Amino acid sequence: EPEVTQTPSHQVTQMGQEVILRCVPISNHLYFYWYRQILGQKVEFLVSFYNNEISEKSEIFDDQFSVERPDGSNFTLKIRSTKLEDSAMYFCASRVNTEAFFGQGTRLTVV
Amino acid sequence: SQKIEQNSEALNIQEGKTATLTCNYTNYSPAYLQWYRQDPGRGPVFLLLIRENEKEKRKERLKVTFDTTLKQSLFHITASQPADSATYLCAPLSGGYNKLIFGAGTRLAVHP
Repeated sequence: EPEVTQTPSHQVTQMGQEVILRCVPISNHLYFYWYRQILGQKVEFLVSFYNNEISEKSEIFDDQFSVERPDGSNFTLKIRSTKLEDSAMYFCASRVNTEAFFGQGTRLTVV
Repeated sequence: SQKIEQNSEALNIQEGKTATLTCNYTNYSPAYLQWYRQDPGRGPVFLLLIRENEKEKRKERLKVTFDTTLKQSLFHITASQPADSATYLCAPLSGGYNKLIFGAGTRLAVHP
């Protein structure tokens, strides 16, 4: 069964460093998303991406964040100059119709 | 601004009983409403979608209702099992569906 894959599963980074979280959406999907979930809190929408551009973004998604679809398969989230409060689980999702499929997440720990 | 409200307190029920979870929304006119399940440390998994012109939808032991007048959806799990223990998220969808926003979720614990 097709699935969304995310790498790495766990990333530890020093405060102030840049990280890139990677996602491979399901191949025929057209809409891509990134979400964040701080431990014990809700799943928060960050950004949606369609037709090679950002279609929606939340207040959380400020200049520190960027997304890219560098080729036909990968979808990346870059976090510049990480802060302690960026520590969270980051989920990628994709869809073609209304049902969204989520990856297993990348646990980002900023120390 | 748009709001999605789900019971923040955990719902504890006995195995075999029916669990009922509530999702209320404001400042939305969703064309669809989705329910997802999330297990600890894992991504949400799609369960059911109901359209605005549908009153009720069923899938095996799951039933969803959608009242656009009350701006509310109810999610029922009948004959609940301990394996149903998880957090359940609702997501009203409108417009171009580009902004898939979840409620905070309700944690369900089914006890043997």
